[in-house]
Amino acid sequence: DAGVIQSPRHEVTEMGQEVTLRCKPISGHNSLFWYRQTMMRGLELLIYFNNNVPIDDSGMPEDRFSAKMPNASFSTLKIQPSEPRDSAVYFCASSLTQGGGYTFGSGTRLTVV
Amino acid sequence: KQEVTQIPAALSVPEGENLVLNCSFTDSAIYNLQWFRQDPGKGLTSLLLIQSSQREQTSGRLNASLDKSSGRSTLYIAASQPGDSATYLCAVRPSGGYNKLIFGAGTRLAVHP
Repeated sequence: DAGVIQSPRHEVTEMGQEVTLRCKPISGHNSLFWYRQTMMRGLELLIYFNNNVPIDDSGMPEDRFSAKMPNASFSTLKIQPSEPRDSAVYFCASSLTQGGGYTFGSGTRLTVV
Repeated sequence: KQEVTQIPAALSVPEGENLVLNCSFTDSAIYNLQWFRQDPGKGLTSLLLIQSSQREQTSGRLNASLDKSSGRSTLYIAASQPGDSATYLCAVRPSGGYNKLIFGAGTRLAVHP
C-alpha cells in the first residue's frame, strides 16, 4: 500500500488567496483526520470523518476553514481567505474506526506570506 | 477529558545507553495506545501499536508496555544510536465518544556519538 498520500508537499501563497490541500487515505480505512502542527500549539485535530461523513469539526479554527470528503478515497481541506497565522504543517491521517492504528501522510507545509 | 502527558520533555544521552520514555493518560477507557516517531520537518511514523487488551509490543530495539489501569505506558529503546534522535509522541485512542487520537506533547531525544 502506498500509505496516506498528501499533496502538495509544500505550498507558499499570498495572504488572501485560497488554498486547497488534498489527501488520499489508505484503501479500506473508513476514518480520516486532518491535523495541524505548529511549534506553539503542537498537533491539533481539525476535523474527523467517519465513512465520509464529518463527525467532529470542533477543531476547525474558523469559517475560513472547510473540509470535504466526497468519497472514500479523497478529502480536501480548504482555507479561504488564507492568513499568515495559518502557516503550519497540515497532516492527514486515516484508520479503521474500531481499534485500528493511525497512519499519517507526509504532510503539507503551508506558508502564507 | 482525556489528557496525555509525556516525561521527560527532552533527553540527551550518549550513544549506547538504554532509554525509557514515559507516557501517562488520565482516563483508562482506551481502545489502544500508539507510539510515533517524528524527525524534524517530517511526518509521523508509527512505531508500535498496543491494543487495550495487550501488555506490551516489541519491534527490534523498541519495546512498549501498557498498564491501562494505572494510565501508563513506557517506550524502552535498547542500545540507543544517533539515528534514534527524533521526537517521540505517545497517543491514546479513547474507547468512548468519537475515539479520536489524543496526543502527548512528545519527548525530544538527542543521542550523541
